[in-house]
Amino acid sequence: RKEVEQDPGPFNVPEGATVAFNCTYSNSASQSFFWYRQDCRKEPKLLMSVYSSGNEDGRFTAQLNRASQYISLLIRDSKLSDSATYLCVVVLRTGNQFYFGTGTSLTVIP
Amino acid sequence: SQTIHQWPATLVQPVGSPLSLECTVEGTSNPNLYWYRQAAGRGLQLLFYSVGIGQISSEVPQNLSASRPQDRQFILSSKKLLLSDSGFYLCAWMLSSYNEQFFGPGTRLTVL
Repeated sequence: RKEVEQDPGPFNVPEGATVAFNCTYSNSASQSFFWYRQDCRKEPKLLMSVYSSGNEDGRFTAQLNRASQYISLLIRDSKLSDSATYLCVVVLRTGNQFYFGTGTSLTVIP
Repeated sequence: SQTIHQWPATLVQPVGSPLSLECTVEGTSNPNLYWYRQAAGRGLQLLFYSVGIGQISSEVPQNLSASRPQDRQFILSSKKLLLSDSGFYLCAWMLSSYNEQFFGPGTRLTVL
C-alpha cells in the first residue's frame, strides 16, 4: 500500500471556480503535512503547511483530518495562474521520511 | 536568504557513461540534503539523504551513489548510466529543526 495517495486528475475548471483536492495517507504516525505546487518542468515549491486546526492563505485553505487520515487543499476563485500540479507531502514522526504524492493536475480554463 | 543551486540544468548522456550532478546550498549551515528523482508522470522518489558531511543514507539500491564532501555540497554520481536513470533529478535542503524541504531547479537527465 502506498504511503500517500492522490487523485491524479486532471481537474479542468473554469476561472473563478472552487476546486478541492484530497490526499490520503496510510501511516497514523505521520507528523507533518504540506502541499507543494509544481509547474511543468520545474521544481516543486512549498505552497503551504497543513496544521491540525486547518489554515488559510488567501484563496487557499488546507485541512487535516487525522481520524480519517487525509489532508485537503481548497482553492477558491481559481486563477489561470493556479494551473499546475499539486503535490501532497506526509512526514513521518521519525523524520527524514518524506512521502510525496504523485500529484494532482489542475488546469484553469479561461 | 537561502538559495540552492543545481547544475547542469539539462544533460544528455549515452548508456554506460558516468554521471556527476552537483548541488550547493547558500545562506545556511548544516542543512539536511536530499536527492530525489522524478520519472515522467511519476512521483518523487527519494534516492539519498545526508544529515552531515560524509553521512549518506541510501533509500533505494541502484547504480547511483552520493557524496557530501562539504557542509553545503551534495553530489550524485554514477559510474555507468542505465536507460532507466533518465528523469528529473532534484536536490532539496531542510533545516533539521523544521520539516519544510526546499528544492533546487533540478537537472533533467536523458540517457540514450
